[in-house]
Amino acid sequence: EAQVTQNPRYLITVTGKKLTVTCSQNMNHEYMSWYRQDPGLGLRQIYYSMNVEVTDKGDVPEGYKVSRKEKRNFPLILESPSPNQTSLYFCASSYETGTNEKLFFGSGTQLSVL
Amino acid sequence: SQQGEEDPQALSIQEGENATMNCSYKTSINNLQWYRQNSGRGLVHLILIRSNEREKHSGRLRVTLDTSKKSSSLLITASRAADTASYFCATGGWSASKIIFGSGTRLSIRP
Repeated sequence: EAQVTQNPRYLITVTGKKLTVTCSQNMNHEYMSWYRQDPGLGLRQIYYSMNVEVTDKGDVPEGYKVSRKEKRNFPLILESPSPNQTSLYFCASSYETGTNEKLFFGSGTQLSVL
Repeated sequence: SQQGEEDPQALSIQEGENATMNCSYKTSINNLQWYRQNSGRGLVHLILIRSNEREKHSGRLRVTLDTSKKSSSLLITASRAADTASYFCATGGWSASKIIFGSGTRLSIRP
């Protein structure tokens, strides 16, 4: 089944403790992206990747890192999480550049930073 | 930066009625997409309309695009309880990097 898999689904952590949210897609998509969703703000793009080893900042990249060593995986790293990073996170992918292609979303990761 | 702004923010209608949601955006676009989100789950793509198209249909969905007014509308006909969800418009620009989402419309269908 074609899907984008995110893990974990829920995560509670403390300020400053490094964490990684994994994202994997099995559709051979070139484009992958991370979004955060906060009440009243919709989805805001954190980072995106056009292909392996090609990543760039979205609208809210501060406090986050990503890597794209393999086509299927695009982990989101929070080196030193802070409470303002408490949010619902989504990974998404699409076939090509992401402008004329629909995005496939993962099920989301609800992160709470205490 | 938010590109699309949905209107209304929330909508409650009776089952069987039609639901109309609007989206306005600010800059030139390549395409506009609509997504549905059920209660904190991942977004599901509904329909994509390109900038050179004016109207598109998919089942009970009808989308219009007016590039001169920088606006789009999503019409769901003969609504069902299962249509209860949040609906987001998303604009794709000419840069091959971004699809920007609006803040969404929460649709509730009353039985």
